[in-house]
Amino acid sequence: DVKVTQSSRYLVKRTGEKVFLECVQDMDHENMFWYRQDPGLGLRLIYFSYDVKMKEKGDIPEGYSVSREKKERFSLILESASTNQTSMYLCASSLMGDLGYTFGSGTRLTVV
Amino acid sequence: AQTVTQSQPEMSVQEAETVTLSCTYDTSESDYYLFWYKQPPSRQMILVIRQEAYKQQNATENRFSVNFQKAAKSFSLKISDSQLGDAAMYFCAYRLLGYGGSQGNLIFGKGTKLSVKP
Repeated sequence: DVKVTQSSRYLVKRTGEKVFLECVQDMDHENMFWYRQDPGLGLRLIYFSYDVKMKEKGDIPEGYSVSREKKERFSLILESASTNQTSMYLCASSLMGDLGYTFGSGTRLTVV
Repeated sequence: AQTVTQSQPEMSVQEAETVTLSCTYDTSESDYYLFWYKQPPSRQMILVIRQEAYKQQNATENRFSVNFQKAAKSFSLKISDSQLGDAAMYFCAYRLLGYGGSQGNLIFGKGTKLSVKP
């Protein structure tokens, strides 16, 4: 089975800190995605990547950046964490041309 | 732009009963896929069922089936013989067929929280 692993299940950071959320997939998927999940708002796409060193903005990229130096790893970066970035962050991956996404178990980030 | 609407923020069903979750979507395209994802308390999103828009026959996966009405742009999920393990958030999602880049990304509804009463 394809596995998407997010490095932290829970994370607490202080306002202004630089935060790294890591996501690793083990099945050579080309596509990787970062979503933010908030109650009543569903899943909103932050950034996605279709190849190494490639990235594209999703619907809510403000305050975030990403890095994809290796195919299996897609990192979400909060340059200066703010309290409104307290949320659940979900990573997903898929094969090019494949219909389904495989999701990680999420990182619940709290910014205090 | 395509949108997906789930009008029921929360639903409740008695164990062993049947429940239907609603989903409507807006698109001007004719070739697309529709999905239902389940997110249990463990937070792992799991694909429940998918439907190709070009297929008239409704998809079925064991106790899960869909009612796909293309003209009405409706895609409801029916769960039969509900079990306690069905309690979860359910997300309806849409994906355009045949496009790369952002046009081919999944678009999610806001979710329906399903509770199952013993």
